[in-house]
Amino acid sequence: EAQVTQNPRYLITVTGKKLTVTCSQNMNHEYMSWYRQDPGLGLRQIYYSMNVEVTDKGDVPEGYKVSRKEKRNFPLILESPSPNQTSLYFCASSLKRDRFYEQYFGPGTRLTVT
Amino acid sequence: EDQVTQSPEALRLQEGESSSLNCSYTVSGLRGLFWYRQDPGKGPEFLFTLYSAGEEKEKERLKATLTKKESFLHITAPKPEDSATYLCAVQAKRGYNKLIFGAGTRLAVHP
Repeated sequence: EAQVTQNPRYLITVTGKKLTVTCSQNMNHEYMSWYRQDPGLGLRQIYYSMNVEVTDKGDVPEGYKVSRKEKRNFPLILESPSPNQTSLYFCASSLKRDRFYEQYFGPGTRLTVT
Repeated sequence: EDQVTQSPEALRLQEGESSSLNCSYTVSGLRGLFWYRQDPGKGPEFLFTLYSAGEEKEKERLKATLTKKESFLHITAPKPEDSATYLCAVQAKRGYNKLIFGAGTRLAVHP
């Protein structure tokens, strides 16, 4: 089954404790992206990747890191989480060309930072 | 600044009562406009892509249209299973690798 998976689905952590949210897709998509979703603000793009070893900042990259060492995986790293990073996070992927933004989204990771 | 505004924030319909959702956008050249559906606790699901003014796309009870300043998602004779949040997003020609999302419209269809 074609899908984007994220782990963990739920995470409660404390300020400053490094964490990684994993994202994997099995559709051989070149483009992958991370979003956060907050009430009243909609989805905001954090980082995206056009291909392996090619990443770039979205609209809200501060406090986040990403890497793309393999085509299928695109982990999101919070080196020192803070309470304002409490949010619902989505990973997405899509084919690069004709269906560039017909994105497939993962199920989401709900993060709480206390 | 590129911006997407959706209205209304929430919409309650009776089953069979047709209506429209609005997505107004301000971008420095539109490359594409996208509609997604999001169910509670799930990731958004792609519905439509529109590329130029005058274009229309249909899927079951949904029809999306595009003008130079806005897009409409028309829902004809909705059913309770159409209840969801509908998201609009634009891809600008400048910074075309990014998507800008609106805050969404929460639709509730009651029997």
